[in-house]
Amino acid sequence: ELKVEQNPLFLSMQEGKNYTIYCNYSTTSDRLYWYRQDPGKSLESLFVLLSNGAVKQEGRLMASLDTKARLSTLHITAAVHDLSATYFCAVSQYNNNDMRFGAGTRLTVKP
Amino acid sequence: EADIYQTPRYLVIGTGKKITLECSQTMGHDKMYWYQQDPGMELHLIHYSYGVNSTEKGDLSSESTVSRIRTEHFPLTLESARPSHTSQYLCASSDAGTGHEKLFFGSGTQLSVL
Repeated sequence: ELKVEQNPLFLSMQEGKNYTIYCNYSTTSDRLYWYRQDPGKSLESLFVLLSNGAVKQEGRLMASLDTKARLSTLHITAAVHDLSATYFCAVSQYNNNDMRFGAGTRLTVKP
Repeated sequence: EADIYQTPRYLVIGTGKKITLECSQTMGHDKMYWYQQDPGMELHLIHYSYGVNSTEKGDLSSESTVSRIRTEHFPLTLESARPSHTSQYLCASSDAGTGHEKLFFGSGTQLSVL
């Protein structure tokens, strides 16, 4: 059974600091996704990573994938308050509609 | 504008009632999904559909049913609501033709069963 683990689950950081969120998964996967969820809102897609070594960047967020280690990271550079949200990673396998989500990392960026 | 819509946004209902949560998408996506999410927690797959007349069960499907008569419409029905059903329900869709199948989510229905 495909399992997805994120850490940390809660993260409080100062503006301007850097930090990394980790996502481990249990079985071979073809696709890894990162989503953002603001309080009381729905999920918004951030990144889709499809191959080993894939790296994608959008603003202060950068996601990478190591399929051999079954690990994805979401790196935050020089955090700002607007990045405060819950970040979910999700993993699926080709021709398998069971997209498994991690528990989410609740990020709070303080002034 | 292509989008995915859920109604109602909020619903408070008594135990034992039958309810249907609506979900429609205008993107022409073949695949649609229902997830249940408690506040701040992970998402659990309830049902999904590959296309018209196709429905499959997820992890939490035993107390609900879905139908897919039209591509754009994927309603979720609870035959007899219970307090344990209190949660947020998220509908999503994806385009099987893109090769990556990222999910587009609706705004969700917050259900409270008294």
